[in-house]
Amino acid sequence: EIVLTQSPGTLSMSPGERATLSCRASQSVSGDFLAWYQQKPGQAPRLLIFETSTRATGIPDRFSGSGSGTDFTLTINRLEPEDFAVYFCQQYYRSPYTFGQGTKLEIK
Amino acid sequence: QVQLVQSGTEVKTPGSAVRVSCKASGGTFNNYAIIWVRQAPGQGLEWMGRVIPMLGLENYAQKFQGRLTIGADRSPNTAYMELRSLTSEDTALYYCARGGLDFRGYAPNWGQGTLVTVSS
Repeated sequence: EIVLTQSPGTLSMSPGERATLSCRASQSVSGDFLAWYQQKPGQAPRLLIFETSTRATGIPDRFSGSGSGTDFTLTINRLEPEDFAVYFCQQYYRSPYTFGQGTKLEIK
Repeated sequence: QVQLVQSGTEVKTPGSAVRVSCKASGGTFNNYAIIWVRQAPGQGLEWMGRVIPMLGLENYAQKFQGRLTIGADRSPNTAYMELRSLTSEDTALYYCARGGLDFRGYAPNWGQGTLVTVSS
């Protein structure tokens, strides 16, 4: 199975800053079949990005995704207070459609 | 916008089975994958499997092979997940989700989660 490794485990940032989250795959994820989700305590995950760089419906443009092959990035510009949460990447190129272990974005 | 509503909290004993339902309103599961993901307490997301009823396609994570069934129920717009031979390691929050366009494996729509506790 494709193992996704997210880094860092925890990211301490201040509102207004730019956050860069990494997701590295153990094998190439062809077709850019990579998604990003945001999860807040007590809530279901929310889809942010699919196909590596396409924002889901209603997602603000301060969220952007990039990458290819085995290295993918989620960038959040101008952090807002509501952006502090846990972020997961997921590959859906090859079953099982694995998730990364998550990056917690916390307020510095 | 489709909404997914799951059945309520379950408490099960080791060795038993659990069935969790997921009803869609404002949309259907036709033309989409049905996906189940679980999250153990304080842990990350674990992909369990998906089915595409229209195509008769099923994929399950290896660790659940033989004891997990995902499907579309006879009730309209309802999906289910049945997990058998439960152990304490199956204690988790279970989420249903509807897949993306063209049967893609990402999940734009999620249920609220169903807590399953396995304890003797």
